[in-house]
Formats: sequence, structure tokens, C-alpha cells
Amino acid sequence: GQNIDQPTEMTATEGAIVQINCTYQTSGFNGLFWYQQHAGEAPTFLSYNVLDGLEEKGRFSSFLSRSKGYSYLLLKELQMKDSASYLCAAMDSNYQLIWGAGTKLIIKP
Amino acid sequence: GAVVSQHPSWVICKSGTSVKIECRSLDFQATTMFWYRQFPKQSLMLMATSNEGSKATYEQGVEKDKFLINHASLTLSTLTVTSAHPEDSSFYICSARDLAGDSHGYTFGSGTRLTVV
Repeated sequence: GQNIDQPTEMTATEGAIVQINCTYQTSGFNGLFWYQQHAGEAPTFLSYNVLDGLEEKGRFSSFLSRSKGYSYLLLKELQMKDSASYLCAAMDSNYQLIWGAGTKLIIKP
Repeated sequence: GAVVSQHPSWVICKSGTSVKIECRSLDFQATTMFWYRQFPKQSLMLMATSNEGSKATYEQGVEKDKFLINHASLTLSTLTVTSAHPEDSSFYICSARDLAGDSHGYTFGSGTRLTVV
């Protein structure tokens, strides 16, 4: 079956770095997405990886290893506004998104 | 960038009534739109895939007679929750694919918070 695993909750300190891991198993693979979702709001796009390696975009970076079925989202210089849920989603062979349950990130001063 | 407009943002309705949620792609044509439901502290659950000019494809366990989807044009899809009950209270989100966008296809509406009393 298709499955996405990511930690339920993580806590980090303002100004620090945090890495949110995601492992996936899908029928075919057409890329891995990371979304940020604040409570009561729709998800907003953060990153997309389809090739192995690290993609850097400002304070956020995303890594993919297709052979390991593994991705991570790296957040640097954490700010209080980064407190949110982070959703990992893999696109299968039918171009459908398979969603993880999300990781709630709590930032402490 | 691509924008998907979803209305209403929130709605409160009485049990047994129907509620319609609209989703419009503002600057691109969306042949396919996706409807999700999200319960508190849970991830997105795909309800159905809406295809312009044809019947929607529903996920297993989603009642197609209860959640009516219409995708009559390339820019508009609607979800109607019929005979709503308190257990239908949830956050409903639509998404459309814009292959020309920088989000690699998926743009989300702002969501609709439905509360059935």
C-alpha cells in the first residue's frame, strides 16, 4: 500500500535549526512536496523535489533520496511565525498526492 | 502565480440542510480539481477528483450522493454537502493543478470551515 510517515510533533527554539523527516512508499513516484499549514488555514507550498539532492530556498531547504524513500525539510534561523504543521506529500504514478499526517512544529522563545 | 478562490470561508448551517462550496481558478484553466476534507489535528483526506465535463471520481468511503461535485467549466468546481449532519463539520479545501505554475501543479483554495449545528 501507499504510506507516508513523519513525526507527529517537534519542538525547537527560536533561532535554532530543525529537521523534519519524511519516509514514503508509493506506487510509482513523481516527486515529493512539502507544505506549511497554519491552524485554520489551507496549506501553502514550500518545496518540490523530484531528483536526489538538496534544494535550498532561503531559510528552508528540502532533501530527497529516492533510493531510500526519504526526504527532510530543514528550517534554519527559526522564527516564532514558523510554528505550524508541516505536511509531506508524495506524488504517485497517477500524479495524485499521498499525504502524511503532518508534523506540528512548536517554536519556543 | 496561480490563485484558487474558495468561498465561503466559513459557514454554519442547520442539520438537514445543504451547503454549497465554490472553488474558482482565477488565472488559469483547471481541468482537474481536488476536494479534501481535514478534521482537527489530522492531515488532508482526498474526497474526490473533479474533472471538467465529466463525473467526479470519489475516494473509497466517500458518499457521492451526499457530496455532490459539479465541474461545469474550466474555472469552477462546486461541492455540495447535502443533508448535512454534525459529523460533516470539518475543514473543506479544494486544490487545482496549474502545470505552468511554480508550485509544480498544486494550488490550494483558502478552505471552508463548515459547522453543522
